[in-house]
Amino acid sequence: DAGVIQSPRHEVTEMGQEVTLRCKPISGHDYLFWYRQTMMRGLELLIYFNNNVPIDDSGMPEDRFSAKMPNASFSTLKIQPSEPRDSAVYFCASTRSGELFFGEGSRLTVL
Amino acid sequence: AQSVTQPDIHITVSEGASLELRCNYSYGATPYLFWYVQSPGQGLQLLLKYFSGDTLVQGIKGFEAEFKRSQSSFNLRKPSVHWSDAAEYFCAVGAKAAGNKLTFGGGTRVLVKP
Repeated sequence: DAGVIQSPRHEVTEMGQEVTLRCKPISGHDYLFWYRQTMMRGLELLIYFNNNVPIDDSGMPEDRFSAKMPNASFSTLKIQPSEPRDSAVYFCASTRSGELFFGEGSRLTVL
Repeated sequence: AQSVTQPDIHITVSEGASLELRCNYSYGATPYLFWYVQSPGQGLQLLLKYFSGDTLVQGIKGFEAEFKRSQSSFNLRKPSVHWSDAAEYFCAVGAKAAGNKLTFGGGTRVLVKP
């Protein structure tokens, strides 16, 4: 299995631009999670899905952030408009049994 | 609410020496406990997990951890550290009933001296 695949690995954008991060979970996994990692706040859970349905989005910072999972093999995290404080590494993870499998992350820099 | 505390932000250890990383958790139900390792620029890789049963669990790369319910702890150990063990280590707690949602500690960065 290829593991959890995220794209892009690196994104540099200017404040105010829209950013879309993508994730392909491991086939057969029915949970998908989006985490954000920063030096100041560590790993924060943003949102998670079960069978493509958002279950808990209480970690989403504000309305500028949105996430979708149109099917079992694809999810997006969108930031519009982006701000410098959104700079972080965004991880996608999936699971079927409680053990999370992480992607390699998308490093976002907002100038 | 669940929480995880890793009291040590940085630990420096000599190659070949033993290593112990501390983890304390707060959780209202029977927890699932995990240790993950993150190398620079990489995602998190599972080292080991505890769901039930034997409280001493073995993981990959020679790591082990012991669940102590009375102390709400799940400390990670390795008898002899290799230079390749330099990384950041995260303890996490969750539960099946919570939809596999994990809460992570702040991490402990391990530096290995030659």
